[in-house]
Formats: sequence, structure tokens, C-alpha cells
Amino acid sequence: DSGVTQTPKHLITATGQRVTLRCSPRSGDLSVYWYQQSLDQGLQFLIHYYNGEERAKGNILERFSAQQFPDLHSELNLSSLELGDSALYFCASSADPFSNEQFFGPGTRLTVL
Amino acid sequence: GESVGLHLPTLSVQEGDNSIINCAYSNSASDYFIWYKQESGKGPQFIIDIRSNMDKRQGQRVTVLLNKTVKHLSLQIAATQPGDSAVYFCAENIIGGADGLTFGKGTHLIIQP
Repeated sequence: DSGVTQTPKHLITATGQRVTLRCSPRSGDLSVYWYQQSLDQGLQFLIHYYNGEERAKGNILERFSAQQFPDLHSELNLSSLELGDSALYFCASSADPFSNEQFFGPGTRLTVL
Repeated sequence: GESVGLHLPTLSVQEGDNSIINCAYSNSASDYFIWYKQESGKGPQFIIDIRSNMDKRQGQRVTVLLNKTVKHLSLQIAATQPGDSAVYFCAENIIGGADGLTFGKGTHLIIQP
């Protein structure tokens, strides 16, 4: 158990809908990273938040957004969902914005029908 | 863009033998490398890391070798056990950077009895 929690574990929705994925980092970790894992693209970095502020963006679509709250949990919002958004979404946490050692949560499996 | 890649998608080894998983990276600016293990239905689990100022690092039953000349990374698992069955990813990053990890495609390690 990495200490990172994610909810929900599974999510099934329809095209055009909007969903919110939630992540709680390990106790004391201030950084949260979001990744998408799909069969064709592999594991890809989406976005990084540190202590409530956005630190870096990766291959994140404009339809996707994220935020980190004062209690350090983070939410990833996916809107106008398409079939191709079906994937596993992982968050990872680390102690500071420059810590390369990241601890991953169990993921949320999103299925868009 | 530059990315980390893996040579083999599947590696099958006999239980008790040593396993060697290879990885090629192309970003010469990367100076931190990590191996993750991902079991079915779980998030990536940190195994071992190495910085570019080292060429070898050992952990419990695992060794990571880094050859910066040819931009090659390998993970050696000694006395492979059934519990080692998983997909193994190498990942790279730049120390001090805020970006997330860049992952390779993954190698599926299969242990034969």
C-alpha cells in the first residue's frame, strides 16, 4: 500500500459527460501528479500540482482540468468525454516539487461508452 | 518528442533464474531513472532508482545498471519468483524539474514454473 488513495475505483459513463476523479496523497506529501495509462499511449504525465498551485503540464487535453485543495487532495475533471478517454487514471504523490520519487495510487478505471 | 523505450514487450523466464529487463532512453538531459513494477489491477510500485552519476545500484534481489554512453538502462532480478510476474516500466526525469516522469512502454515478465 503506497498510502495514496483514489476514488472511485471504477467509473462508467457516456460520451459527452463530465466526471471527477479524486486523489488523496500520502500523509505529508505536498505534490500530486496525474497520469493517464492507455493501451496505445502507455503511461503519460498529465499535470502536477504542488501545495495548491499548478507546477507543470504534460499531455493534458483542454477538456481536462485539475485542482488541489487546501487539505492537499486533488481532483481531475474530465469533460465532454470521448470514447478515447477510456483509460486508467493514476495519481502519484511526492514530498516536494522536486522529488523524483513518486508513489502511485491504485488508479481509477474510466470507461466511456 | 524524446521518450523512454523498451526493447521487448514480453520476457519469459524460469522460476529461480535471473531476469534482465532492458530499456533505452533518448533524452540526454535526463539524470534520474526509475524502475516501476505494475501488477494487474494495481498502480506502479517503485522498485529502484539510479542517478546519472552512478552506473550501478543494488537493492534487495534487484540491480539497476546505467550505461550513459549508449543511453541504456537495465533491471536485473535475481532468483526470479512467481511474485515477480508483472509489467516493468522504466521511467526518466530531470532532477530538480517539475515535470512528471516519462515512462517507457513496459515489459511483461512471465515466470514459468
